[in-house]
Amino acid sequence: GIQVEQSPPDLILQEGANSTLRCNFSDSVNNLQWFHQNPWGQLINLFYIPSGTKQNGRLSATTVATERYSLLYISSSQTTDSGVYFCAVGYTGANSKLTFGKGITLSVRP
Amino acid sequence: DTGVSQDPRHKITKRGQNVTFRCDPISEHNRLYWYRQTLGQGPEFLTYFQNEAQLEKSRLLSDRFSAERPKGSFSTLEIQRTEQGDSAMYLCASSLWGREEQYFGPGTRLTVT
Repeated sequence: GIQVEQSPPDLILQEGANSTLRCNFSDSVNNLQWFHQNPWGQLINLFYIPSGTKQNGRLSATTVATERYSLLYISSSQTTDSGVYFCAVGYTGANSKLTFGKGITLSVRP
Repeated sequence: DTGVSQDPRHKITKRGQNVTFRCDPISEHNRLYWYRQTLGQGPEFLTYFQNEAQLEKSRLLSDRFSAERPKGSFSTLEIQRTEQGDSAMYLCASSLWGREEQYFGPGTRLTVT
């Protein structure tokens, strides 16, 4: 099956710093999503980005499908950005399940 | 507008008991997915439905697990004869066929003692 690797596994930032989270995947995919998991376990949709670049406030993401990686940028980090960030990939059509990476644990210190 | 809902949010049961979880997807979504997440790991796929048809089941879904979506709306996931290894967060997601973005519910946290 498809492999998803996220790096770094852990990241500690001072409030106000910028960061880049990486997701590598082993096959061509049609679906790529970034999630933030809050302390209660809820997965919050950040981006649906099978290719290209999107921005939402302080967050932006870029997926280079031909090179099988995606990047999530967090600028001017805040303590509320703390949590686990997941990248998940999948295909369209009948085989639409998502395969998740192990996540990146981000801690933003005041 | 409501998102995906799951019930119960927490369940503590004794080993050997049966448990059932419910998921209500976003109303117009015809695809519904179940995932399981253990501590320190990403969610893992269990099974999914398109309308009432169960289209795929993971090898993780042993014969003690059964899922249904009888009228193509809500779904139930039942675990029979629970084991301590079943302790996990069970997540439900839904999507609209043709639009692949999945939206997740808050999860049901199962603890088997």
